Amino acid sequence: EVQLVQSGAEVKEPGESLKISCKGSGYSFPNFWIAWVRQVPGKGLEWMGIIWPGDSDVKYSPSFQGQVTISADKSTSTAYLQWSSLKASDTAMYYCTRRTGTTNFDYWGQGTLVTVHS
Amino acid sequence: QSALTQPPSASGSPGQPVTISCTGTSADVGLYNHVSWYQQHPGKAPKVIIYEVNKRPSGVPDRFSGSKSGNTASLTVSGLQAEDEADYYCSSYAGSNNFVIFGGGTKLTV
Repeated sequence: EVQLVQSGAEVKEPGESLKISCKGSGYSFPNFWIAWVRQVPGKGLEWMGIIWPGDSDVKYSPSFQGQVTISADKSTSTAYLQWSSLKASDTAMYYCTRRTGTTNFDYWGQGTLVTVHS
Repeated sequence: QSALTQPPSASGSPGQPVTISCTGTSADVGLYNHVSWYQQHPGKAPKVIIYEVNKRPSGVPDRFSGSKSGNTASLTVSGLQAEDEADYYCSSYAGSNNFVIFGGGTKLTV
């Protein structure tokens, strides 16, 4: 069974760093793109970027380039999303999702809620 | 790259059809046959219900269908059921730099 299991909810203060994770199982992790999607509470979905775990090739949405870092460790089948300095506006639910077609994201993690406040 | 344009809300009675539109540009929806639709129930992760404009993943009821004309894609739900009440998002490929863009979402009320 294909699964993407994300790390738990986080509460952070502005300026802190954070790295959340997404562990894949039940399929060949290196051979499928993994994307990260942001959803601000009560708002829509925003595509942040995508990584090919096989060689860590990463593509970012222009809106998120330079704001976050996407990485992956194929040896542990885990993808990561990290911030070096969080802002209150980073408060959102973050989903990882597996891509099987150009815009076909077939499996999704359960989401990681990140709350940033002082 | 701007988000795709969807109506914020749509509604219909059980058994009736409803169509949700998704308008992009000649650089995304109009250029590529890579439009997907996602259903999201409150507190849940999105679920793909249509990909490549009109393909349905296995397990998705055939009352969901997709189409595209020019820069506008559409999702039709024929024979609405109570469990179809959810938020619906379209997405389109937007080229190698922008990759994927989403619509703003449509809240469907049954």
